[in-house]
Amino acid sequence: DGGITQSPKYLFRKEGQNVTLSCEQNLNHDAMYWYRQDPGQGLRLIYYSQIVNDFQKGDIAEGYSVSREKKESFPLTVTSAQKNPTAFYLCASSPGGLPADTQYFGPGTRLTVL
Amino acid sequence: AQSVTQLDSQVPVFEEAPVELRCNYSSSVSVYLFWYVQYPNQGLQLLLKYLSGSTLVESINGFEAEFNKSQTSFHLRKPSVHISDTAEYFCAVSDANAGNNRKLIWGLGTSLAVNP
Repeated sequence: DGGITQSPKYLFRKEGQNVTLSCEQNLNHDAMYWYRQDPGQGLRLIYYSQIVNDFQKGDIAEGYSVSREKKESFPLTVTSAQKNPTAFYLCASSPGGLPADTQYFGPGTRLTVL
Repeated sequence: AQSVTQLDSQVPVFEEAPVELRCNYSSSVSVYLFWYVQYPNQGLQLLLKYLSGSTLVESINGFEAEFNKSQTSFHLRKPSVHISDTAEYFCAVSDANAGNNRKLIWGLGTSLAVNP
């Protein structure tokens, strides 16, 4: 089955620790995205990548980092510089990153920082 | 800059009643419009989208939305809802002439609660 996988589903970390969230897709999509979702705030774009080895900051990139070394993988690192990291994180992909493209979402990772 | 307003944060409704979830966007430039649905503790999935052509678009599970350019709206409707329609619904817009700026602009979501 084609799709997007995110792991783990739930993640707990101590304050001050970096943590990396995994996102893998086997849809052969060029573009991938990371969103953060908080109650009542909708989806906010953290980073996006339209092609391998290239990525751009979204609206709330501070305290996060990404890499895109392979087409199918777009891991997100939440660093200790992110002041409020507890949130639901969603990864998505689309065929070409074009305005008309549908974005396909993974099941999400709920990160709790203690 | 483009923005999206979902006019109701929560919509409670009884089963088999009709529902309308309202969405307005700010700019009248050429746009593509989307509705996504998110069931509890899951990712989002596309419900329907307007790209061009007929202003009325339909989903496979009975939802429909109408693009109204003059009112810059893309309201989502269903004539009779089911308990299983309980979810968060997100409206999103992208600029059709975005060039390299190809991001979706998202509304804050509307929580639809269908009660028996």
